[in-house]
Amino acid sequence: EVQLLESGGGLVQPGGSLRLSCAASGFTFSSYAMSWVRQAPGKGLEWVSAISGSGGSTYYADSVKGRFTISRDNSKNTLYLQMNSLRAEDTAVYYCAKDLKMVQGVIIGTFDYWGQGTLVTVSS
Amino acid sequence: DIQMTQSPSSLSASVGDRVTITCRASQSISSYLNWYQQKPGKAPKLLIYAASSLQSGVPSRFSGSGSGTDFTLTISSLQPEDFATYYCQQSYSTRMYTFGQGTKLEIK
Repeated sequence: EVQLLESGGGLVQPGGSLRLSCAASGFTFSSYAMSWVRQAPGKGLEWVSAISGSGGSTYYADSVKGRFTISRDNSKNTLYLQMNSLRAEDTAVYYCAKDLKMVQGVIIGTFDYWGQGTLVTVSS
Repeated sequence: DIQMTQSPSSLSASVGDRVTITCRASQSISSYLNWYQQKPGKAPKLLIYAASSLQSGVPSRFSGSGSGTDFTLTISSLQPEDFATYYCQQSYSTRMYTFGQGTKLEIK
């Protein structure tokens, strides 16, 4: 059974940093691209970042480019999101999500499994 | 960036009704269009991918159609568990996967 479990959320002051983790199980983690998707309170879904299975390709939404870094440790089956220079508008539930298909070196951008989400609140 | 626009933003319907939700892309995205269902406090669930392919385990009352810029999600006979918010999402632009603003489906 595929499972994705996020952790690392919490309350942080504007300008601060936080690192989110997503522990994966039930599939060959290194074979699938992964993404982070966020949802501000009462709002819609916003894709944040994606990383290929090997970690060699990464992409970011313009809203987080230069502030967030996506990475993965395939030996630990874990996805990360390092968030720096946090702003109030980054307040959201952050989900990790698995790509639907395994295509080497390619990010499909269709998400068949999602974690339960971790809440990040940026406030003074 | 590719913008995704859903209509309507909200919809009231009854159990047994046939419901259609529309999603329009700001440029052609071929068939790179996915539909998700989200219930309050839960993660989204993939329903339809590649515009018309039903995800494994999803009931056949859900169907998708369209290509290019115009797409639809149809629920043939609403069930009580279908009341939720639905999102379309384009996976054409490999560097920016945008979602529609959502359609909230409520009980009439």
